[in-house]
Amino acid sequence: NAGVTQTPKFQVLKTGQSMTLQCAQDMNHNSMYWYRQDPGMGLRLIYYSASEGTTDKGEVPNGYNVSRLNKREFSLRLESAAPSQTSVYFCASSELRRFTEAFFGQGTRLTVV
Amino acid sequence: TQLLEQSPQFLSIQEGENLTVYCNSSSVFSSLQWYRQEPGEGPVLLVTVVTGGEVKKLKRLTFQFGDARKDSSLHITAAQPGDTGLYLCAGGQETSGSRLTFGEGTQLTVNP
Repeated sequence: NAGVTQTPKFQVLKTGQSMTLQCAQDMNHNSMYWYRQDPGMGLRLIYYSASEGTTDKGEVPNGYNVSRLNKREFSLRLESAAPSQTSVYFCASSELRRFTEAFFGQGTRLTVV
Repeated sequence: TQLLEQSPQFLSIQEGENLTVYCNSSSVFSSLQWYRQEPGEGPVLLVTVVTGGEVKKLKRLTFQFGDARKDSSLHITAAQPGDTGLYLCAGGQETSGSRLTFGEGTQLTVNP
């Protein structure tokens, strides 16, 4: 039971470097999400994709881009990393309906120095 | 702007004690979910409540959705060290589809 798989689990970047966080789900879910988690801030939505072929900004999209490659995969790109992007990033997926459960990956701990 | 506010932010208690965590908002939610997160892992769903006044029980955990659907509480009876973790409430709104708004979380530590 893989569920939602994120790679990498840990990453250290220098300011200005770029990287892509990968996410794949095997539950045939239509909707996928990227969140960041900072101490005392809960989970904040960066971008989401309600269904294949669509993406929309969440609460904190600045400095990020996303690609919904297919129904399974949703990647998050940092074009020019900044120290303020140091955080734990979670990918999640769910069915496209109300009251549905969100399934999360194990997270990527990113440090920008 | 945080639409959902949780309190307390931190809670450290002894095994066997009871506790309540609160999740409050000025907005109406169509559903309220509670998740539990352990270190190094993603959050995992505990319960979903959708009706104002609804009460759900999961073993020693009791969840309540406020009558006006603006608040929720999580009560744990006779806490155990295995209950230690970060508890997150998350609200869904009619206009948001499957998107959720998360509270800041309550870090619970139960000491043996």
